[in-house]
Amino acid sequence: EIVMTQSPATLSVSPGERATLSCRASQSVGSNLAWYQQKPGQAPRLLISGASTRATGIPTRFTGSGSGTEFTLTISSLQSEDFAVYYCHQYHKWPRTFGQGTKLEIK
Amino acid sequence: EVQLVESGGGLVQPGGSLRLSCAASGFSFMSYSMNWVRQAPGKGLEWVSYISSSGDTIYYADSVKGRFTISRDNAKNSLSLQMNSLTDEDTAMYYCARLVNTTLTSDYWGQGTLVTVSS
Repeated sequence: EIVMTQSPATLSVSPGERATLSCRASQSVGSNLAWYQQKPGQAPRLLISGASTRATGIPTRFTGSGSGTEFTLTISSLQSEDFAVYYCHQYHKWPRTFGQGTKLEIK
Repeated sequence: EVQLVESGGGLVQPGGSLRLSCAASGFSFMSYSMNWVRQAPGKGLEWVSYISSSGDTIYYADSVKGRFTISRDNAKNSLSLQMNSLTDEDTAMYYCARLVNTTLTSDYWGQGTLVTVSS
């Protein structure tokens, strides 16, 4: 099973600043990496697939990058609605696996 | 509008069974693969099971293999998850999710149904 490790577990950032979230895979997943955002009491929302392709309706302040084993989600100029938990997810091999999540909180 | 509505969750005793359903609308259900994903209270996401659009390809997480059965009825736009031999580790919110055909990422999710396994 491919283990996905996210860092940091919690990230405190002020509104308007940039946030950088990391995700590492225990083996190469190519570009088969997605990012999801989840707010309390809500289902996850797809942000990024293919490591860098924004899903429909996702603002351009969300940028995904990386390939192989190292991936980054960058959120430029944080808005109040961006404070949430973010999960990376590999769909390269079965079983599908998720990272443990990064909680982005207001500083 | 794409809608996925889960049902069937509830309180069940250890060793018991439960059948979850997911009603799909707003898209051609028979054309999409589907996932079940769960989330234990206060924890992260865990993929549970996958079924292809025709139902001929199925995968399970090791944690549920042999106990859970995924199925679909394309005529009724419905996805199901039969869960047997439940343990407290199966306590979670269960989400059904539609998969994008090209990437097999989950683009639409239901709001979930809560399964609680407790005596």
